[in-house]
Amino acid sequence: KNQVEQSPQSLIILEGKNCTLQCNYTVSPFSNLRWYKQDTGRGPVSLTIMTFSENTKSNRRYTATLDADTKQSSLHITASQLSDSASYICVVSRTGNQFYFGTGTSLTVIP
Amino acid sequence: KAGVTQTPRYLIKTRGQQVTLSCSPISGHRSVSWYQQTPGQGLQFLFEYFSETQRNKGNFPGRFSGRQFSNSRSEMNVSTLELGDSALYLCASSWGQEGETQYFGPGTRLLVL
Repeated sequence: KNQVEQSPQSLIILEGKNCTLQCNYTVSPFSNLRWYKQDTGRGPVSLTIMTFSENTKSNRRYTATLDADTKQSSLHITASQLSDSASYICVVSRTGNQFYFGTGTSLTVIP
Repeated sequence: KAGVTQTPRYLIKTRGQQVTLSCSPISGHRSVSWYQQTPGQGLQFLFEYFSETQRNKGNFPGRFSGRQFSNSRSEMNVSTLELGDSALYLCASSWGQEGETQYFGPGTRLLVL
């Protein structure tokens, strides 16, 4: 069964600290993995897209990693800011543009 | 460049009614995908339209349907509304190639009473 699981479900961190979000998947055949950030009341915004051959991809303070062998990905946020408070969604795509979504990690950054 | 727009932003309907939601993609984008987002289920894929043809479909009942016009604008229709259809409906557009970024609209929040 094609599934995407994210952990933790929610996370609270102090401003300026780093954090790592996890994504495990069983989607096959794998095409690509995406991380989205969704602010409350808004549509998701793409952070990174990684294909099978990519291990690491960065977008400003966001760094995503992918281990296609273990079917795991992580999103590392460096020097968190209050504006990082949002839901982070992992999406795995099968060949043919079929998408499978995780339920997201809700991140709260407090001053 | 204008982003993805969705209308209306908020909608209240009663059980048994039908509803039509609209999505205007970014200019030049030919693919429009629709998603349902609820607190319990998260984001779920409804269907994708590319060049006026449904290219992919999720696991939703036939009450959920859509179409795409020649200008790439898309509409989604839900007939015989149920309470469980209350959700945020998001559309996303892209050029239509595999592996590219999708750009989401702000969503239409539907409440079924």
